[in-house]
Amino acid sequence: GENVEQHPSTLSVQEGDSAVIKCTYSDSASNYFPWYKQELGKRPQLIIDIRSNVGEKKDQRIAVTLNKTAKHFSLHITETQPEDSAVYFCAATPKYNFNKFYFGSGTKLNVKP
Amino acid sequence: ETGVTQTPRHLVMGMTNKKSLKCEQHLGHNAMYWYKQSAKKPLELMFVYNFKEQTENNSVPSRFSPECPNSSHLFLHLHTLQPEDSALYLCASSQGGPQETQYFGPGTRLLVL
Repeated sequence: GENVEQHPSTLSVQEGDSAVIKCTYSDSASNYFPWYKQELGKRPQLIIDIRSNVGEKKDQRIAVTLNKTAKHFSLHITETQPEDSAVYFCAATPKYNFNKFYFGSGTKLNVKP
Repeated sequence: ETGVTQTPRHLVMGMTNKKSLKCEQHLGHNAMYWYKQSAKKPLELMFVYNFKEQTENNSVPSRFSPECPNSSHLFLHLHTLQPEDSALYLCASSQGGPQETQYFGPGTRLLVL
């Protein structure tokens, strides 16, 4: 099955700086890579996703890049704000079994004002 | 935040008890999921239902028994649980499979004594 590794486990940045979270996956057949944000005590929410037919996707201050050859994808947050503080989860789904869904272990992002 | 609701929000049970978790989605989605979220571990997909039919059971012990009477409701029946089953149990739904945006409920915090 798929194995999704996420780094770092914790990340602390100063407000206004950029933050980058990286995930690697093992199954080259994976073709859907979402990112979920979970604020303390709240439910996970999708913030951005990317499919394997594109290399980069942007939505305001957040972007995701995908390198299929290297089997890794990254979340980039620019001009970080305190409200970006949360746990971020990456995930991957193999196209041969769309009922499989594998999350990374999460990155706790702390944005210091 | 009322699209997916879960009850109860907190549950304490002994190892010999039988209890049920309930999830309801008001989004008209056709797929529903149960996840387990433990400290320091990735979110684990337990069960997937698509149009009321179970399409995935990720090697979950039989002491967890799901039920999906219709596309809007999902139950997780609990029986003779172990202390290591203590976790946050999240329900989610999507229109289509896991490769569409999943909307999570607030979760049930379960403590098994």
